[in-house]
Amino acid sequence: QKEVEQDPGPLSVPEGAIVSLNCTYSNSAFQYFMWYRQYSRKGPELLMYTYSSGNKEDGRFTAQVDKSSKYISLFIRDSQPSDSATYLCAMTDSWGKFQFGAGTQVVVTP
Amino acid sequence: EAQVTQNPRYLITVTGKKLTVTCSQNMNHEYMSWYRQDPGLGLRQIYYSMNVEVTDKGDVPEGYKVSRKEKRNFPLILESPSPNQTSLYFCASSLDPYQETQYFGPGTRLLVL
Repeated sequence: QKEVEQDPGPLSVPEGAIVSLNCTYSNSAFQYFMWYRQYSRKGPELLMYTYSSGNKEDGRFTAQVDKSSKYISLFIRDSQPSDSATYLCAMTDSWGKFQFGAGTQVVVTP
Repeated sequence: EAQVTQNPRYLITVTGKKLTVTCSQNMNHEYMSWYRQDPGLGLRQIYYSMNVEVTDKGDVPEGYKVSRKEKRNFPLILESPSPNQTSLYFCASSLDPYQETQYFGPGTRLLVL
């Protein structure tokens, strides 16, 4: 069983809709949680970073972490066609080892 | 410009022919890491380095070697490549692995015949 589970999609939404993405994990040692966005043929780029349980908002993006349930989420409000990409969750302990989800492909249609 | 560079960007090779993929960063980052990306599997960590001369195995280190002799460089070595190492490889760096964002290189697409 993978340490991090993420639905690969694809997830297709109309422009302006809310995109909801999530990951579950099994290792309680993970302390830091991230969401990356990856466009085709590019390296991942960091979208959101959270440390503790709770919500973090940055513009149209909201990240949620529930450590008790080992569940993290990313919400994208007012989605745009430019948000079409693959979104990867990632997590790490404090020792340098990272685990990524498989990535969810998101398609926002005009 | 702050960046992580990788070379080569594309490589076709044959089984058993040793190769090195270079990674260099100009941001004075302590932490560097190598990942491979395969369809349906996401990014998997191969090796990482917390500082010069300090390297550790990630989830999939078999068949790979790394070295960190200088802070800016972190080459990935495939001593005897096999077809199952055909993949997209990314190098990344950050000031530290947990409080700072990782900056990813552009990727190296490797095909082993």
